Amino acid sequence: EADIYQTPRYLVIGTGKKITLECSQTMGHDKMYWYQQDPGMELHLIHYSYGVNSTEKGDLSSESTVSRIRTEHFPLTLESARPSHTSQYLCASTTRKGSGNEQFFGPGTRLTVL
Amino acid sequence: QKEVEQDPGPLSVPEGAIVSLNCTYSNSAFQYFMWYRQYSRKGPELLMYTYSSGNKEDGRFTAQVDKSSKYISLFIRDSQPSDSATYLCAMSGNTGGFKTIFGAGTRLFVKA
Repeated sequence: EADIYQTPRYLVIGTGKKITLECSQTMGHDKMYWYQQDPGMELHLIHYSYGVNSTEKGDLSSESTVSRIRTEHFPLTLESARPSHTSQYLCASTTRKGSGNEQFFGPGTRLTVL
Repeated sequence: QKEVEQDPGPLSVPEGAIVSLNCTYSNSAFQYFMWYRQYSRKGPELLMYTYSSGNKEDGRFTAQVDKSSKYISLFIRDSQPSDSATYLCAMSGNTGGFKTIFGAGTRLFVKA
């Protein structure tokens, strides 16, 4: 079983609140990712990091931001949550460099913005 | 047009049946092909990983890749109720920094 953790697992908040979704991995992986997953839809990459102090936006436009100060930690922040942010957020990591990306996923955070 | 197409199902089969799950893709640069299994309210877990064309077998699971047809398959033999999950195909290659592109997933129900 992959050692990648996400907290909280479920979050219900009101519009306009600032939230941070936590993701940590104990595998020493260089690459980390945040995906957004809606029912019946593909996983959409919203942010990724290839190492400490490296962050990039993914293919899906997102109002969230990320940071990578430590190898094991890759938090995602929403400064002002809106109902359109309601979704499942998945964090993943991999150690492969520029190859097949066998990604290990966390259990996800299900976010509901009222 | 999506880069990866996957029939969302749901697919319902009796226990013991052989299950065939498929994906088609359009980008010939894809070289790495993966199948993930996702149980309800969990993150995806890697099931099978294949490089380039060919078959790979692991227990009851067989992954096939046909690059000439841009078509990949996952076969599950002797399906069990515990196989009930959503199966996501995924692929990556020397394009876009080796980003992984996922299919939408096929929901599988195996009835006891």
